[in-house]
Amino acid sequence: GDSVTQMEGPVTLSEEAFLTINCTYTATGYPSLFWYVQYPGEGLQLLLKATKADDKGSNKGFEATYRKETTSFHLEKGSVQVSDSAVYFCALSDYGAGSYQLTFGKGTKLSVIP
Amino acid sequence: GAVVSQHPSWVICKSGTSVKIECRSLDFQATTMFWYRQFPKQSLMLMATSNEGSKATYEQGVEKDKFLINHASLTLSTLTVTSAHPEDSSFYICSAAGQFSSYEQYFGPGTRLTVT
Repeated sequence: GDSVTQMEGPVTLSEEAFLTINCTYTATGYPSLFWYVQYPGEGLQLLLKATKADDKGSNKGFEATYRKETTSFHLEKGSVQVSDSAVYFCALSDYGAGSYQLTFGKGTKLSVIP
Repeated sequence: GAVVSQHPSWVICKSGTSVKIECRSLDFQATTMFWYRQFPKQSLMLMATSNEGSKATYEQGVEKDKFLINHASLTLSTLTVTSAHPEDSSFYICSAAGQFSSYEQYFGPGTRLTVT
């Protein structure tokens, strides 16, 4: 079955540091890939997405490139802010049993300190 | 666009009672809605998938008689936790997919259930 593996946290960075959160996946088909962010006590917000190989998703300074050859979708940001502190989930969407279902990684908690 | 709401945002109920959680797509028609459960510091676990007008499809290990899901319209799905027990305390999150793109899900803000 489909699966998503992302680096375990927690990750603690100083403000303006470079961020990388690794994510790799296994899928039988051609999935779409997503990064979601969850702030404390809230639901998930879509951060960025990519639907096919070599696509780059970007939003709010975050980027991730769909790498089919390495089955990866690593999240990067050049300069993190305190407001980026949250839990980040990598996910893939694949079609099965009559609908698209999301498979999530376990989440990576990011803490950014001033 | 693509806003999903949940109500209530938090609820406390006594053991043995039932509680209903609503999930609404506010500005689009959701042909499919999903219900997830999230334990503290863990990822989301898919409980069930519901298509409008059809019975929900439950994931393995999820009791369909305990977690009743109704998707009566293209904008509303409900999750009823029947005879709740303390172990049902959790964060329940719904998502909706449909009008814009069937592969992309839009998430509600979640409902914190505490059973005493």
